[in-house]
Amino acid sequence: DAGVIQSPRHEVTEMGQEVTLRCKLISGHNSLFWYRQTMMRGLELLIYFNNNVPIDDSGMPEDRFSAKMPNASFSTLKIQPSEPRDSAVYFCASSLSDRNVEQYFGPGTRLTVT
Amino acid sequence: GENVEQHPSTLSVQEGDSAVIKCTYSDSASNYFPWYKQELGKGPQLIIDIRSNVGEKKDQRIAVTLNKTAKHFSLHITETQPEDSAVYFCAASKGSNYQLIWGAGTKLIIKP
Repeated sequence: DAGVIQSPRHEVTEMGQEVTLRCKLISGHNSLFWYRQTMMRGLELLIYFNNNVPIDDSGMPEDRFSAKMPNASFSTLKIQPSEPRDSAVYFCASSLSDRNVEQYFGPGTRLTVT
Repeated sequence: GENVEQHPSTLSVQEGDSAVIKCTYSDSASNYFPWYKQELGKGPQLIIDIRSNVGEKKDQRIAVTLNKTAKHFSLHITETQPEDSAVYFCAASKGSNYQLIWGAGTKLIIKP
């Protein structure tokens, strides 16, 4: 298996633009996590899906952020409009069942908003 | 809510020596404690985990110990090698209905 796949790996955009980050889960996994990592705040969980259903979105910073799972193997994280403070590395991770088993992280998307 | 503190933030050890990273947690109901390793430019990767029904777990050069009474757990790496250089994160959770709470990370530097 190729592991968790994220695209793009790097994204540079201007403030106010819409950004869409993509994630493909490992085949057979049914839990999906979106994280944000910055030097100041470390690793933060944004949202957690189980069986395509959002279970915990308490980490989503504000209404500018939205996440979807249109099918069991794919997810998107959208920021609209983007702001410079959204600059971070965004990771997608998947697991076999829930939050308390191994989470397999993708390589991340480095987002820079100018 | 749960809070996880991790120390030190940076640890530099001579190659071949041992490294110990410590974490404390606040919620006595926490029962799952994983450790992740993050290499430069990559996502974190699970290296070992422990559940509250055991006090110690080993996997080759890596071990984790758990003291439930004191609410702390530690990662031990013996015979450190250059490839051990990375950022290590601890985490804690009360169960599958709760999210993992992550420590701030420890940057481990192995000096040749």
